Parts: sequence; structure tokens; C-alpha cells
Amino acid sequence: GENVEQHPSTLSVQEGDSAVIKCTYSDSASNYFPWYKQELGKRPQLIIDIRSNVGEKKDQRIAVTLNKTAKHFSLHITETQPEDSAVYFCAAGGNYQLIWGAGTKLIIKP
Amino acid sequence: KAGVTQTPRYLIKTRGQQVTLSCSPISGHRSVSWYQQTPGQGLQFLFEYFSETQRNKGNFPGRFSGRQFSNSRSEMNVSTLELGDSALYLCASSFYGIAGGPPDTQYFGPGTRLTVL
Repeated sequence: GENVEQHPSTLSVQEGDSAVIKCTYSDSASNYFPWYKQELGKRPQLIIDIRSNVGEKKDQRIAVTLNKTAKHFSLHITETQPEDSAVYFCAAGGNYQLIWGAGTKLIIKP
Repeated sequence: KAGVTQTPRYLIKTRGQQVTLSCSPISGHRSVSWYQQTPGQGLQFLFEYFSETQRNKGNFPGRFSGRQFSNSRSEMNVSTLELGDSALYLCASSFYGIAGGPPDTQYFGPGTRLTVL
């Protein structure tokens, strides 16, 4: 069946450095790619999303890139801050359903 | 608009019992999805309802069931509880107003933390 692979499972970066999380999807019909952030004890919240007719989208320190040919998309966080520490989930959607990645725990070292 | 709400927030049950969890979506949203999240695990998809019909289903046993009412509120039921059912159960609502259209943004509720003893 369809699946989404997310890497790495844990990412530790120095405060101020950049972080990159990558996801690969299998369903070529997927056309919606959101990223969610889940802080400890809280609900997942959408931080950015991209649709298949766009190759890149930015929102301040956060950006997402999409390569439909290779079927992968990435989350880029620049100038990381302590409040970026969380678990990040990617998902790929098409035909009503979202297929979720397993999550990446991002640790920001002071 | 008020966000997605879930009740109860915490629940303690014993093995063999059954439980019903409730989810009220954002006003105007017609799709409700349910997820199971265990410690350190991702979001395991249970099922999705749209206009009172189950549209998608994940790989969970038949002990897990759900339904959606005409006002879009949804309930999920777990029968014959097992220790492994202890988890955070999240629901998410989205608009999905256009039939056959692309998935829409999902907004999550705070979750119901179920503990099975």
C-alpha cells in the first residue's frame, strides 16, 4: 500500500543552525503535502503545507520543497531556536486520505 | 471559530471493558479522522468519516469502530479493551467540501488519553 518514509527519526542541531527533514512518498497521485509540529503534551499543529503545482514555499524561517519526479519533499528550518524542539510529522495526501510519516524528533542544543 | 474538541480528556478503563470517545469538529467541517498515538510513535490512522459515511479505514481490528452524526460530531468505540490500547486518541477535522477534491488541512483536537489497566 501507499507509504511515506521520513528521515531522520531524530535530529540534533546546534541552536542557530539549520535543520532539514526529508520525506519520500510512494503514491504518485498524492497532491498535498503538509508538515505538522507536535510539542510535548500538545496536539499536532500545521506549520506549512504545499500542493503539487508548487515546487517551494516559504514562511519566515520555515520552507518546504517538493520534487514530484523523485517523489520526495523536505522541511527546512533555518536559524533554529529552542522553541523549535518538537516532533515533526510529514504527510502526503490524495483521494481524501493523508498518509503520515513516522515523525522526526528535533532537538535544539543550546 | 471554536477548535476541535474531544471528550473526555482522560479515561481509565480495565481490560475487557469498552469505551466511547467523542469528537466535535470545527463548525462547517464535514470530515473527521481518528488517530491512535502511542508513546514515541507516530500517528496511526484508524478511520475517516465524511457526511456520516466511513470513507477510509486503517489497519486496526474490528474492535475499533466509529460513527458520525448528521451534525458531523463523531464517536469512536473500542470494545474488549486490551492493555495495548492504552494511547492518546486524536481526532482531526477538515472541510473536504469538494467531492473528489484534494485533501484539506486537518485540525487536531487535544486528544483523549486512554489508560487500560
